[in-house]
Amino acid sequence: KQEVTQIPAALSVPEGENLVLNCSFTDSAIYNLQWFRQDPGKGLTSLLLIQSSQREQTSGRLNASLDKSSGRSTLYIAASQPGDSATYLCAVRDTGRRALTFGSGTRLQVQP
Amino acid sequence: EPEVTQTPSHQVTQMGQEVILRCVPISNHLYFYWYRQILGQKVEFLVSFYNNEISEKSEIFDDQFSVERPDGSNFTLKIRSTKLEDSAMYFCASKDRGTTNEKLFFGSGTQLSVL
Repeated sequence: KQEVTQIPAALSVPEGENLVLNCSFTDSAIYNLQWFRQDPGKGLTSLLLIQSSQREQTSGRLNASLDKSSGRSTLYIAASQPGDSATYLCAVRDTGRRALTFGSGTRLQVQP
Repeated sequence: EPEVTQTPSHQVTQMGQEVILRCVPISNHLYFYWYRQILGQKVEFLVSFYNNEISEKSEIFDDQFSVERPDGSNFTLKIRSTKLEDSAMYFCASKDRGTTNEKLFFGSGTQLSVL
């Protein structure tokens, strides 16, 4: 059964810092991996999706990498801003399945 | 930008009552999902729906749960006899067709409180 772990659980940084969020998964037979942002009391917003055949995806200040064989993904946020404060969730879709398996998230606070 | 719409945003019900959570997916999407998040816990998959039938469901999605697409726009989740442990935020999601459109779009959720 797929298990997704995210480290750290919480992170507080001053504005302007670059930061890395980590995600690991136990079964490498994945179809894709997504990073989501969740604001308090709100839904999830897909930030980046990496297919199993890809190594990384970039969108603006965000860069996500995937090392399928080692079961790891990182989300890199450059020049963090207070508006980046949210919970960041990693989710994998296993090959042959529709379901996403989520990690418990990293709660990010960017201090102005 | 198109979005997934869920109603109501909050629902309070008594244990044993039936509830229906409603969702309007993005109009050209073909794959529909329900997830839930119990307070302080991970987001959990409940069910996926494609071509008017369930394509996958989790262990959580037992006989008390059902989904329906009653018309061309709505997608509903029914819980027949609610339990205290059904209290959670329920998210609807939808996805376009094709392998180049894998991103999942989530609604803002229905907070269900079972008393």
